[in-house]
Amino acid sequence: NAGVTQTPKFQVLKTGQSMTLQCAQDMNHNSMYWYRQDPGMGLRLIYYSASEGTTDKGEVPNGYNVSRLNKREFSLRLESAAPSQTSVYFCASSENKMYEQYFGPGTRLTVT
Amino acid sequence: GEDVEQSLFLSVREGDSSVINCTYTDSSSTYLYWYKQEPGAGLQLLTYIFSNMDMKQDQRLTVLLNKKDKHLSLRIADTQTGDSAIYFCAESIANNDMRFGAGTRLTVKP
Repeated sequence: NAGVTQTPKFQVLKTGQSMTLQCAQDMNHNSMYWYRQDPGMGLRLIYYSASEGTTDKGEVPNGYNVSRLNKREFSLRLESAAPSQTSVYFCASSENKMYEQYFGPGTRLTVT
Repeated sequence: GEDVEQSLFLSVREGDSSVINCTYTDSSSTYLYWYKQEPGAGLQLLTYIFSNMDMKQDQRLTVLLNKKDKHLSLRIADTQTGDSAIYFCAESIANNDMRFGAGTRLTVKP
């Protein structure tokens, strides 16, 4: 039981490049989330998926897109990376929206 | 305000008690949580309290909730060097989303 896994662990992009961050969970959870963590600002929700087939914007969705590929997988795409998107990105999942969230180990992204 | 507020830093000596405080925003929050983040890792749920409780104890951890003041605290008894981490307070808000504080970095000195 791996829990929540994320790839890659680290990534450096140039401004304007695109990439997709992958997330998968093996706990049969309905809800999945993408957060970014910046120093002194805690976690901010980018997008979430309350259940398979649905996605909704969180607090800071601009510059990102998501895909809930199936119940297990929820990917985050940066179409044209900007330095302001330098951050640590965490994926999380929960049984349902109001329950405990389980976090992946994070992806540290630097955009130069 | 709309932010979950925590002090950014706390330093204690090994063996002392640590108290991490948090002020949350939504008086109708159902659950309040404490998460721990160790270096290079994701967040792990430490404990949570349901909003109709005033206190919850779990081994070395004591959570106190003051709903009137919207104040939540986490007390760690007999703090160890392994407790050094960032501690996040979080609340479940009206639409069942979760709002996190900025995190308190706890440093435990030997």
